[in-house]
Amino acid sequence: GQNIDQPTEMTATEGAIVQINCTYQTSGFNGLFWYQQHAGEAPTFLSYNVLDGLEEKGRFSSFLSRSKGYSYLLLKELQMKDSASYLCAVVDSNYQLIWGAGTKLIIKP
Amino acid sequence: GAVVSQHPSWVICKSGTSVKIECRSLDFQATTMFWYRQFPKQSLMLMATSNEGSKATYEQGVEKDKFLINHASLTLSTLTVTSAHPEDSSFYICSARDTTSGESDTQYFGPGTRLTVL
Repeated sequence: GQNIDQPTEMTATEGAIVQINCTYQTSGFNGLFWYQQHAGEAPTFLSYNVLDGLEEKGRFSSFLSRSKGYSYLLLKELQMKDSASYLCAVVDSNYQLIWGAGTKLIIKP
Repeated sequence: GAVVSQHPSWVICKSGTSVKIECRSLDFQATTMFWYRQFPKQSLMLMATSNEGSKATYEQGVEKDKFLINHASLTLSTLTVTSAHPEDSSFYICSARDTTSGESDTQYFGPGTRLTVL
């Protein structure tokens, strides 16, 4: 079956760095998305990786290793507003989205 | 874990026809389901919130008469795109909120339905 794993919850301190991991086993791979979702709001696009490597976008970076079925989202200089759920989603061979359950990130002062 | 399915996975239709997309929560009850549109490499745009047994709540700018939503049971919501036109071509994603779990804010997303209108 198809499976996406990411931690359920993580806690970090304001100003620090946190890495949210996502491992996947899917039928085919056509890219991986990271979304941020605040409670009661629609998911906001953060990144899309289809090739191996690190993509940096301001305070957020996303890494992909297709051979390992692994991605991570790196958040630097954490701010209180970064408290949210972070969703990992893989596009499979049928161009369907396979979603992780999301990682709830709690930022403490 | 909670699973949400969508049917069909993809559909191609002629301009002017109507298309129905189903969203099902397979192993949990969902009094609330959400319908989104995804544009390439962009955020999900919330179209409407579907509540079981009552009328859907549409976001500003979304035509109610064009995107008909029915949430007839605790496990099924349908989105019907009426008189579809090429500009309606998109990836439609639903999500369901598990009302039985303690995490009332958790949404489980479906795999999406790709609609292409010729």
